[in-house]
Order: sequence, then structure tokens, then C-alpha cells
Amino acid sequence: DGGITQSPKYLFRKEGQNVTLSCEQNLNHDAMYWYRQDPGQGLRLIYYSQIVNDFQKGDIAEGYSVSREKKESFPLTVTSAQKNPTAFYLCASSSRLAPDREQFFGPGTRLTVL
Amino acid sequence: AQKITQTQPGMFVQEKEAVTLDCTYDTSDPSYGLFWYKQPSSGEMIFLIYQGSYDQQNATEGRYSLNFQKARKSANLVISASQLGDSAMYFCAMRDPPAGFQKLVFGTGTRLLVSP
Repeated sequence: DGGITQSPKYLFRKEGQNVTLSCEQNLNHDAMYWYRQDPGQGLRLIYYSQIVNDFQKGDIAEGYSVSREKKESFPLTVTSAQKNPTAFYLCASSSRLAPDREQFFGPGTRLTVL
Repeated sequence: AQKITQTQPGMFVQEKEAVTLDCTYDTSDPSYGLFWYKQPSSGEMIFLIYQGSYDQQNATEGRYSLNFQKARKSANLVISASQLGDSAMYFCAMRDPPAGFQKLVFGTGTRLLVSP
């Protein structure tokens, strides 16, 4: 089955620690995205990548970093510089050749800072 | 910049009835796309329906239809014959040009509760 996997589902972090969220897709999509969702809010774009070894900041990139070394993988690191990292994080992908098609989402990672 | 507004924080509907979820948008670009996603309590985002700005007809996908009124900049989602499983958050989103690919801007969502 093609799809997007995110791990872990739940993540707890102490203040001051960096943590990396995993996102893998087997849909052969070029474009991948990271969103953050706070309670009662919509999704906000953190970073996106159109091709391997290239990525751009979204609307709320401060305190986050990403890499795109493989087409299938787009990990997100939440650094200690992110002031309020407790949130639900969603990874998505889409075909770069079909901008009018939907984004496919993973199941999400819920990060809690203790 | 593109903006999506969903003014209904919550909506209630009885099973088997139809419900309309409102979405208005703001953009100065003539080419854009509008999406609706469903988010159950489990958290994943499920794509429901898409409308392109140049599409002549309103989009339909099974029980979902999109009431697209371009002059009013609205793209309301209509769910016919509501089912208990339709209870979820619903998000309207717009493709943000001229990125050339699919950067989406989301509204704040509407929580739909379907009662028996």
C-alpha cells in the first residue's frame, strides 16, 4: 500500500532538547511538506521541499530544521530554539507534476514538551 | 497574500440531513485551487473535494459537493445525507500560487457533529 508514515505517534521532550520527527513516503512524490497544528487551529506550513537536496521555509520555520537527502524521506528537527513546540505535526506529499491534485497526509506526530 | 476564512466554529446536523460548511477566500490571483479536507479525531487529514478557479461546473464527489460562487469568493462544502461518521473537523484550503506546486493555506476549520 502506498502512503505516508510518520513516527513516532507520540513524542515527549524535555525543554532544551532537540528532537527529530520522521516522515517517509512511498508514493514517488517529489514534493513534501511539514505542517504544525495547534488546538482549535488550522495547519500552518513549516517547511516544504520540491526536490531532493532542496527545501524552503514556510510561514513558521523559526526553531525548526529539515533535510531532504532522499526522495522518500523528509525528517523535521524541532530544536531548542523553538519556543513553544508542543503541537501536532503533520507531514504531507504531492506530485510536483500535478499541482491541482491533493496533498496526501501522514497520521501525524503529537509532540509534548515537559 | 491568500487567506481562507471559516466563520463557523461548530455545526450540528441530524443524521440523514444535509449540511453546508462555509468557506470564503481572498486572493488577487486569477488562477487558484480550493480544497476541502476532513480531520477525524484520529488526526489524519482526508482529502474530500477540489475546485479549480477555471472549472465551469461545481465539483462533486459522492455525498460531497462544492457550492463555488466566484464573484462572492466563496467555496462552501455541502454534505448530503449526513452520517454519524461525518462527525469531524473540516478544513477549507487554497493552493497558494504562483509557487507552481501545491503550497496550501488552511482555514481554522469547522467542527461538525452529526446526531442520531
